[in-house]
Amino acid sequence: AQRVTQPEKLLSVFKGAPVELKCNYSYSGSPELFWYVQYSRQRLQLLLRHISRESIKGFTADLNKGETSFHLKKPFAQEEDSAMYYCALSGISSGSARQLTFGSGTQLTVLP
Amino acid sequence: DAGVTQSPTHLIKTRGQHVTLRCSPISGHKSVSWYQQVLGQGPQFIFQYYEKEERGRGNFPDRFSARQFPNYSSELNVNALLLGDSALYLCASSPFPSDFSSYNEQFFGPGTRLTVL
Repeated sequence: AQRVTQPEKLLSVFKGAPVELKCNYSYSGSPELFWYVQYSRQRLQLLLRHISRESIKGFTADLNKGETSFHLKKPFAQEEDSAMYYCALSGISSGSARQLTFGSGTQLTVLP
Repeated sequence: DAGVTQSPTHLIKTRGQHVTLRCSPISGHKSVSWYQQVLGQGPQFIFQYYEKEERGRGNFPDRFSARQFPNYSSELNVNALLLGDSALYLCASSPFPSDFSSYNEQFFGPGTRLTVL
């Protein structure tokens, strides 16, 4: 079975401060991990994927297989980063095709 | 392109009733996935369809069913509604199913808010 855990439901930081959103996963195979973001009154959208090893809007995330983690980081938070962030894992479950499993999300608030 | 569209926006039903939710994918996308998002939780995978065939199914009872049409739009049907079926139902489309490529991004619709009384 595949599982994604986001331990923090709420996270507040001040503008300019570093931010880290935690994500841990459980999966027996080779995982594919993603971060999705939902800004206020907008649709859920892909932020970044681990396989691309890219930085999007200043955010990065490194897959740590030893710690089964995929934490999202940004060195200097901006007020426009305030949103709900979901960590997601793409894996094979119950013999079915690959499917996305989401964590419960972290609401990030960046204070002025 | 308006992106993924879903109808209706909101829906109120009573226990035991049946509901049909509709989704139109982005033009050119052949795969549609359905998710249930209960308040305070992340989306939970229900189905994935590609080229009108079911590609994947999540851990949902048989009361949940779906289909995809030749124009790649999709319907999600839920029979014998329970209070616990109250949720936001999200549809996502992608060019191909998720097992084709790790770069296969899913584009989400705005969702249908279902309330079961």
